[in-house]
Amino acid sequence: DSGVTQTPKHLITATGQRVTLRCSPRSGDLSVYWYQQSLDQGLQFLIQYYNGEERAKGNILERFSAQQFPDLHSELNLSSLELGDSALYFCASSPQRGHYEQYFGPGTRLTVT
Amino acid sequence: AQKVTQAQTEISVVEKEDVTLDCVYETRDTTYYLFWYKQPPSGELVFLIRRNSFDEQNEISGRYSWNFQKSTSSFNFTITASQVVDSAVYFCALSDGSNQAGTALIFGKGTTLSVSS
Repeated sequence: DSGVTQTPKHLITATGQRVTLRCSPRSGDLSVYWYQQSLDQGLQFLIQYYNGEERAKGNILERFSAQQFPDLHSELNLSSLELGDSALYFCASSPQRGHYEQYFGPGTRLTVT
Repeated sequence: AQKVTQAQTEISVVEKEDVTLDCVYETRDTTYYLFWYKQPPSGELVFLIRRNSFDEQNEISGRYSWNFQKSTSSFNFTITASQVVDSAVYFCALSDGSNQAGTALIFGKGTTLSVSS
């Protein structure tokens, strides 16, 4: 158990809908990262937050957004969902801003029908 | 540009065989960090090791060992006396902060290891 929690574990929704994925980092970790894992794209970095502020962006679509709250939990919002958004979404946390190991949550499997 | 290549898509071995998973990376930075993660069939990503570019010492942890060679830009992972529980997808990753991705991990495509009894 990495100490990172993600909810829900599974999510099935229809095209055009909006969903919110939630992540609680390990106790004391200030950095939260979101990654998407799909068969064709592999594991891709989406976005990073550090202590409530956005720090880095990767291949995140404009339809996707995220935020980190004062209690350090983070939410990833996916809107106008398309079939191609079906994937496993991981949240990871690390203690500081440096290049430290990241501990991953169990993931949320999103299926868009 | 950053890139991680795991040329072996799938490897199958029999229990007790030794197996080496290859990882080749590309980066323009002199300071960078390399990682290995394991993704068992249950799906979670498990951290195995982190190595910085200044430390070329090989590392051993039980049946696992890692060989870092800057001259060939490789960070290979060897499992000695493999066991069925080692069956998983193994990912090599790089972080160098050279672009807007900051400290994010750039992953290879992964190597699926199947160990049969």
